[in-house]
Amino acid sequence: DIHLTQSPSFLSASVGDRVTMTCRASQGISYYLAWFQQKPGEAPKLLISAASTLEGEFPSRFSGSGSGTEFALTINSLQPGDFATYYCQQYNSYPWTFGQGTKVDFK
Amino acid sequence: EVQLVESGGGLVEPGGSLRLSCTVSDFTFSKYWINWVRQAPGKGLEWVANIKYDGTEKNYVDSLKGRFTVSRDDAKNSVYLHMSSLRADDTALYYCVTPLRRYRAEYLHHWGQGTLVTVSS
Repeated sequence: DIHLTQSPSFLSASVGDRVTMTCRASQGISYYLAWFQQKPGEAPKLLISAASTLEGEFPSRFSGSGSGTEFALTINSLQPGDFATYYCQQYNSYPWTFGQGTKVDFK
Repeated sequence: EVQLVESGGGLVEPGGSLRLSCTVSDFTFSKYWINWVRQAPGKGLEWVANIKYDGTEKNYVDSLKGRFTVSRDDAKNSVYLHMSSLRADDTALYYCVTPLRRYRAEYLHHWGQGTLVTVSS
């Protein structure tokens, strides 16, 4: 199975900050990586697919990068609605797997 | 916009069985892979299984093989997750999820709101 390790697990930040979180895969997954945003009590929302393709409902301050085994999600100018937990997920090979999540909260 | 509605969750005793249903509001349901993802209370996400649009391929997380089975009934626009020999660590919110594009096993785009399964005596 492909193991995904997200860093950090917790991230304290302020509105306006630029934050970056990473997702490392235990073996190469090309660009078959998605990022999800989840807020308390809600279902996850697809944020980025194919490592860097931003979903239409999200603003351009979100960006994804990487391929192979190293990936990153960057949020420029953090906004109040961005405080949430972010998960990466690989769909390169079965079983599909998720990272353990990065929780972004107020500093 | 595709809508997915899960049902069938509830309280079940350890060792018991349960069948979850996912009904999809899309007339092209028969062209989509359908996935199940679960989330234990306060924990992260775990992909459970998926089934191909024509039912000919099913994939499972290794730890659940033999206890969980996925099936579909295109006439009812529904997918089912049959769960048996349930354990306390199967307690979770179970989501039904589809990709955006037909015929593609790819990123998880449309999510239902989930159905809660609690395994406890």
